[in-house]
Amino acid sequence: NAGVTQTPKFQVLKTGQSMTLQCAQDMNHEYMSWYRQDPGMGLRLIHYSVGAGITDQGEVPNGYNVSRSTTEDFPLRLLSAAPSQTSVYFCASKTSGTYEQYFGPGTRLTVT
Amino acid sequence: DAKTTQPPSMDCAEGRAANLPCNHSTISGNEYVYWYRQIHSQGPQYIIHGLKNNETNEMASLIITEDRKSSTLILPHATLRDTAVYYCIVKESYNTDKLIFGTGTRLQVFP
Repeated sequence: NAGVTQTPKFQVLKTGQSMTLQCAQDMNHEYMSWYRQDPGMGLRLIHYSVGAGITDQGEVPNGYNVSRSTTEDFPLRLLSAAPSQTSVYFCASKTSGTYEQYFGPGTRLTVT
Repeated sequence: DAKTTQPPSMDCAEGRAANLPCNHSTISGNEYVYWYRQIHSQGPQYIIHGLKNNETNEMASLIITEDRKSSTLILPHATLRDTAVYYCIVKESYNTDKLIFGTGTRLQVFP
Protein backbone atom coordinates (compact mmCIF):
# COMPACT_ATOMS: atom_id res chain seq x y z
CA ASN A 1 0.00 0.00 0.00
CA ALA A 2 1.19 3.51 -0.84
CA GLY A 3 -0.97 4.91 1.97
CA VAL A 4 -1.95 8.56 1.56
CA THR A 5 -0.23 10.37 -1.29
CA GLN A 6 -0.25 14.09 -2.04
CA THR A 7 0.84 16.02 -5.09
CA PRO A 8 2.58 18.31 -5.66
CA LYS A 9 5.12 18.46 -2.80
CA PHE A 10 5.82 22.14 -3.39
CA GLN A 11 3.92 24.85 -5.26
CA VAL A 12 4.32 28.59 -5.77
CA LEU A 13 1.30 30.57 -6.97
CA LYS A 14 0.68 34.19 -7.74
CA THR A 15 -2.24 35.95 -6.08
CA GLY A 16 -5.45 35.22 -7.98
CA GLN A 17 -4.29 32.00 -9.60
CA SER A 18 -6.20 28.78 -9.10
CA MET A 19 -4.94 25.28 -8.54
CA THR A 20 -5.91 21.86 -7.21
CA LEU A 21 -4.02 19.95 -4.55
CA GLN A 22 -4.34 16.23 -5.09
CA CYS A 23 -4.86 13.60 -2.40
CA ALA A 24 -5.29 9.87 -2.92
CA GLN A 25 -5.41 6.83 -0.66
CA ASP A 26 -5.37 3.15 -1.50
CA MET A 27 -6.69 1.80 1.80
CA ASN A 28 -10.41 2.01 0.91
CA HIS A 29 -10.97 4.51 3.70
CA GLU A 30 -14.37 6.17 3.86
CA TYR A 31 -13.25 9.27 5.73
CA MET A 32 -10.88 11.81 4.20
CA SER A 33 -9.96 15.31 5.28
CA TRP A 34 -7.80 18.32 4.54
CA TYR A 35 -5.84 20.34 7.10
CA ARG A 36 -3.63 23.38 6.86
CA GLN A 37 -0.70 24.15 9.13
CA ASP A 38 0.69 27.64 9.46
CA PRO A 39 4.18 28.22 10.96
CA GLY A 40 4.31 27.43 14.67
CA MET A 41 0.67 26.38 14.75
CA GLY A 42 -1.24 23.14 15.04
CA LEU A 43 -3.26 21.73 12.17
CA ARG A 44 -6.65 23.25 11.34
CA LEU A 45 -9.40 21.32 9.57
CA ILE A 46 -10.50 22.78 6.21
CA HIS A 47 -12.96 20.27 4.74
CA TYR A 48 -13.77 16.63 5.25
CA SER A 49 -15.72 13.80 3.63
CA VAL A 50 -17.34 10.73 5.17
CA GLY A 51 -17.74 8.98 1.83
CA ALA A 52 -18.04 9.43 -1.93
CA GLY A 53 -20.45 12.23 -2.76
CA ILE A 54 -20.50 13.63 0.80
CA THR A 55 -18.42 16.60 1.95
CA ASP A 56 -18.67 19.11 4.78
CA GLN A 57 -16.85 22.15 6.13
CA GLY A 58 -14.30 22.17 8.90
CA GLU A 59 -12.89 25.07 10.95
CA VAL A 60 -11.43 27.16 8.11
CA PRO A 61 -13.28 26.38 4.84
CA ASN A 62 -13.32 29.85 3.23
CA GLY A 63 -11.42 30.06 -0.05
CA TYR A 64 -11.37 26.28 -0.60
CA ASN A 65 -13.63 23.85 -2.44
CA VAL A 66 -13.67 20.07 -2.34
CA SER A 67 -15.48 17.21 -4.03
CA ARG A 68 -15.42 13.46 -3.53
CA SER A 69 -16.39 11.56 -6.66
CA THR A 70 -14.51 8.38 -5.74
CA THR A 71 -13.49 6.70 -2.49
CA GLU A 72 -9.81 7.05 -3.37
CA ASP A 73 -9.50 10.73 -4.27
CA PHE A 74 -10.21 13.95 -2.40
CA PRO A 75 -8.89 17.02 -4.27
CA LEU A 76 -8.71 20.47 -2.68
CA ARG A 77 -9.29 23.45 -4.96
CA LEU A 78 -8.10 27.01 -4.44
CA LEU A 79 -10.21 29.15 -6.77
CA SER A 80 -8.35 32.44 -6.32
CA ALA A 81 -5.19 32.10 -4.26
CA ALA A 82 -4.37 34.70 -1.62
CA PRO A 83 -1.14 35.23 0.38
CA SER A 84 -3.08 34.20 3.52
CA GLN A 85 -3.32 30.71 2.03
CA THR A 86 0.44 30.23 2.21
CA SER A 87 0.70 27.14 4.37
CA VAL A 88 1.47 23.44 4.48
CA TYR A 89 -1.52 21.32 3.52
CA PHE A 90 -2.04 17.81 4.84
CA CYS A 91 -4.54 15.22 3.69
CA ALA A 92 -5.66 12.42 6.00
CA SER A 93 -7.86 9.34 5.81
CA LYS A 94 -9.31 6.71 8.11
CA THR A 95 -11.86 3.94 8.23
CA SER A 96 -15.11 5.06 9.84
CA GLY A 97 -15.47 3.72 13.36
CA THR A 98 -11.73 3.30 13.91
CA TYR A 99 -9.38 5.58 15.77
CA GLU A 100 -6.21 6.01 13.75
CA GLN A 101 -5.94 8.65 11.04
CA TYR A 102 -3.28 8.34 8.36
CA PHE A 103 -1.69 11.53 7.11
CA GLY A 104 -0.01 12.28 3.84
CA PRO A 105 3.44 13.93 3.54
CA GLY A 106 2.00 17.39 2.88
CA THR A 107 2.06 20.04 0.15
CA ARG A 108 3.98 23.22 0.85
CA LEU A 109 2.17 26.12 -0.85
CA THR A 110 3.47 29.67 -1.20
CA VAL A 111 1.27 32.43 -2.60
CA THR A 112 3.08 35.61 -3.62
CA ASP B 1 -14.82 18.40 22.51
CA ALA B 2 -12.93 19.25 25.67
CA LYS B 3 -9.95 21.59 25.46
CA THR B 4 -6.47 20.39 26.29
CA THR B 5 -3.48 22.18 27.81
CA GLN B 6 0.10 21.06 27.19
CA PRO B 7 3.47 22.60 28.05
CA PRO B 8 4.98 24.24 24.94
CA SER B 9 8.32 22.43 25.20
CA MET B 10 10.23 19.75 27.08
CA ASP B 11 13.70 18.22 27.01
CA CYS B 12 14.68 14.62 27.61
CA ALA B 13 18.01 12.79 27.64
CA GLU B 14 18.39 9.95 25.18
CA GLY B 15 17.61 6.60 26.81
CA ARG B 16 15.56 8.15 29.57
CA ALA B 17 11.77 8.08 29.85
CA ALA B 18 9.94 11.06 28.39
CA ASN B 19 6.79 11.94 30.29
CA LEU B 20 4.51 14.35 28.42
CA PRO B 21 1.60 15.76 30.43
CA CYS B 22 -1.78 16.88 29.18
CA ASN B 23 -4.53 18.60 31.12
CA HIS B 24 -8.15 18.06 30.02
CA SER B 25 -10.13 19.12 33.08
CA THR B 26 -13.44 19.52 31.21
CA ILE B 27 -13.39 16.06 29.65
CA SER B 28 -16.74 14.27 29.63
CA GLY B 29 -17.42 10.61 30.27
CA ASN B 30 -17.51 9.45 26.67
CA GLU B 31 -14.51 11.39 25.37
CA TYR B 32 -11.33 9.61 24.38
CA VAL B 33 -7.79 10.95 24.78
CA TYR B 34 -5.65 10.65 21.64
CA TRP B 35 -1.98 11.32 21.12
CA TYR B 36 -0.36 12.11 17.78
CA ARG B 37 3.12 13.34 16.99
CA GLN B 38 4.64 15.30 14.13
CA ILE B 39 8.28 14.75 13.33
CA HIS B 40 9.88 17.78 11.70
CA SER B 41 7.50 18.80 8.90
CA GLN B 42 6.03 15.39 8.18
CA GLY B 43 2.34 14.50 8.49
CA PRO B 44 1.18 13.69 12.03
CA GLN B 45 1.46 10.10 13.19
CA TYR B 46 -0.99 8.34 15.50
CA ILE B 47 0.57 7.08 18.74
CA ILE B 48 -2.09 5.84 21.15
CA HIS B 49 -5.54 6.53 22.57
CA GLY B 50 -7.50 5.66 25.71
CA LEU B 51 -10.76 6.19 27.55
CA LYS B 52 -10.32 5.27 31.22
CA ASN B 53 -7.74 2.54 31.61
CA ASN B 54 -4.03 2.88 31.06
CA GLU B 55 -2.95 1.75 27.62
CA THR B 56 0.33 0.49 26.19
CA ASN B 57 1.48 -0.31 22.69
CA GLU B 58 4.79 -0.73 20.93
CA MET B 59 5.35 3.03 20.80
CA ALA B 60 4.25 4.38 24.16
CA SER B 61 2.14 4.14 27.31
CA LEU B 62 -0.80 6.34 28.19
CA ILE B 63 -1.60 6.94 31.84
CA ILE B 64 -5.00 8.55 32.54
CA THR B 65 -5.77 9.77 36.07
CA GLU B 66 -8.71 8.28 37.87
CA ASP B 67 -10.77 11.48 37.55
CA ARG B 68 -9.73 11.63 33.84
CA LYS B 69 -8.83 15.31 34.13
CA SER B 70 -5.27 14.74 33.01
CA SER B 71 -3.09 12.19 31.30
CA THR B 72 0.58 11.47 30.61
CA LEU B 73 2.16 10.01 27.51
CA ILE B 74 5.26 8.01 28.35
CA LEU B 75 8.01 7.15 25.87
CA PRO B 76 9.92 4.63 27.98
CA HIS B 77 13.35 4.93 26.33
CA ALA B 78 13.48 8.11 24.28
CA THR B 79 15.70 8.20 21.21
CA LEU B 80 16.82 11.11 19.05
CA ARG B 81 14.17 10.04 16.51
CA ASP B 82 11.47 10.80 19.09
CA THR B 83 12.22 14.52 18.78
CA ALA B 84 8.88 15.88 17.56
CA VAL B 85 5.80 17.91 18.46
CA TYR B 86 3.34 15.82 20.47
CA TYR B 87 -0.37 16.61 20.34
CA CYS B 88 -2.93 15.59 22.97
CA ILE B 89 -6.49 15.59 21.57
CA VAL B 90 -9.80 14.84 23.26
CA LYS B 91 -12.63 13.49 21.09
CA GLU B 92 -16.18 12.26 21.54
CA SER B 93 -16.34 8.50 21.17
CA TYR B 94 -19.16 8.74 18.61
CA ASN B 95 -17.17 11.10 16.41
CA THR B 96 -13.63 9.94 16.03
CA ASP B 97 -13.11 11.67 12.73
CA LYS B 98 -12.61 15.43 13.08
CA LEU B 99 -9.40 16.00 15.02
CA ILE B 100 -8.87 19.43 16.56
CA PHE B 101 -5.14 20.05 17.03
CA GLY B 102 -3.72 22.49 19.54
CA THR B 103 -0.12 23.69 19.47
CA GLY B 104 1.25 20.60 21.25
CA THR B 105 4.48 20.01 23.17
CA ARG B 106 7.79 20.21 21.36
CA LEU B 107 9.94 17.38 22.77
CA GLN B 108 13.68 17.69 22.23
CA VAL B 109 15.66 14.53 22.93
CA PHE B 110 19.35 15.27 23.43
CA PRO B 111 22.35 12.91 23.38
